[in-house]
Amino acid sequence: KNQVEQSPQSLIILEGKNCTLQCNYTVSPFSNLRWYKQDTGRGPVSLTIMTFSENTKSNGRYTATLDADTKQSSLHITASQLSDSASYICVVSAQSGNTPLVFGKGTRLSVIA
Amino acid sequence: GAGVSQSPSNKVTEKGKDVELRCDPISGHTALYWYRQSLGQGLEFLIYFQGNSAPDKSGLPSDRFSAERTGGSVSTLTIQRTQQEDSAVYLCASRVTGLNTEAFFGQGTRLTVV
Repeated sequence: KNQVEQSPQSLIILEGKNCTLQCNYTVSPFSNLRWYKQDTGRGPVSLTIMTFSENTKSNGRYTATLDADTKQSSLHITASQLSDSASYICVVSAQSGNTPLVFGKGTRLSVIA
Repeated sequence: GAGVSQSPSNKVTEKGKDVELRCDPISGHTALYWYRQSLGQGLEFLIYFQGNSAPDKSGLPSDRFSAERTGGSVSTLTIQRTQQEDSAVYLCASRVTGLNTEAFFGQGTRLTVV
């Protein structure tokens, strides 16, 4: 069964600190993995996409990694800001572009002053 | 439009009533998805449409749920005889057909069944 597991479920960090969120998946055959940010009351917005051949990709203070062998991904946030408080959702797509996306339950990040 | 639009943004209904939720996808997006997000839970797949193909209804939780997409554009999710456990945020997403294309989400409809 295609599944995406995320950890931790929730996280509280001080402003300015770094953090790393984890995503493990069993989706096969793998096509790509996206990290989405979902602010409260909003729909998810894509931060970054990782395809099979990519190991790391950065988008500003966000850096995503992918290990296709172990089927793991991480999202690292550096120098966190209060506006980073949101849910971060890992979404994996199977190799056909027409299959449903498989969502993790998300990590709820709270950045406090 | 510029993005995916959903209406209403909030809906409160009495148990047993029927509700209709609407999604206007981004123009030209052939794939359309409906997801449900209960409080504190992840997104649960409900149904998706791809062009003129038969929709994948494998995520619909019961026969009280149905959806249609008219003319390959606007989609309506209908919940009949609503129950309290149907209370959730219903999110719609659309994307262009392709292997790595991004799914764009609407802001969702928050449904509360009382």
